[in-house]
Amino acid sequence: AQSVTQPDIHITVSEGASLELRCNYSYGATPYLFWYVQSPGQGLQLLLKYFSGDTLVQGIKGFEAEFKRSQSSFNLRKPSVHWSDAAEYFCAVGGGDDKIIFGKGTRLHILP
Amino acid sequence: EPEVTQTPSHQVTQMGQEVILRCVPISNHLYFYWYRQILGQKVEFLVSFYNNEISEKSEIFDDQFSVERPDGSNFTLKIRSTKLEDSAMYFCASSRQGARSNQPQHFGDGTRLSIL
Repeated sequence: AQSVTQPDIHITVSEGASLELRCNYSYGATPYLFWYVQSPGQGLQLLLKYFSGDTLVQGIKGFEAEFKRSQSSFNLRKPSVHWSDAAEYFCAVGGGDDKIIFGKGTRLHILP
Repeated sequence: EPEVTQTPSHQVTQMGQEVILRCVPISNHLYFYWYRQILGQKVEFLVSFYNNEISEKSEIFDDQFSVERPDGSNFTLKIRSTKLEDSAMYFCASSRQGARSNQPQHFGDGTRLSIL
């Protein structure tokens, strides 16, 4: 069965510091992978997606993610975070059927 | 950029009452979805809808739930007799093609449903 694990419930980084949010997935075939961001009281905004091809994908707001098949990972990175990046981040997997399976999310806190 | 819009943003309903959550998907999208997020938990798939019929549904989507596309623009989720545990944020999503394609799902801002 498809599943997504985000091992960090909360992450705190200082503004300007680099960020990496971890995501591991379980899926029988080549997955479609997504990162969504949810600001408080808002909906889910797609940051980036991986379907095939280059394993390093660029997204909006300066985010990138790298698909590593050998590690079943799709970690999200940003070289320098801004206070406005504080939000909840969801990794998700899809491709075998109509649904997307979400991880439990990682809440990102930014220190000034 | 076109958006998925959901109304209302917050719905408060007495337990046992029927509630209808409304969504207007992106206009050229053909696949529609409902997800829910109970407070503090992850986003869970409820149902997908294509060509005027349900294409997939989860265990959560029992007989109390139904979906409909009553006209060319709206996509609704109805809960017939609400329970306390139905309190959650409900997200509508749409995509141009199905989840098996490389077309991502676009989500609305959600409707927060509170059952009293």
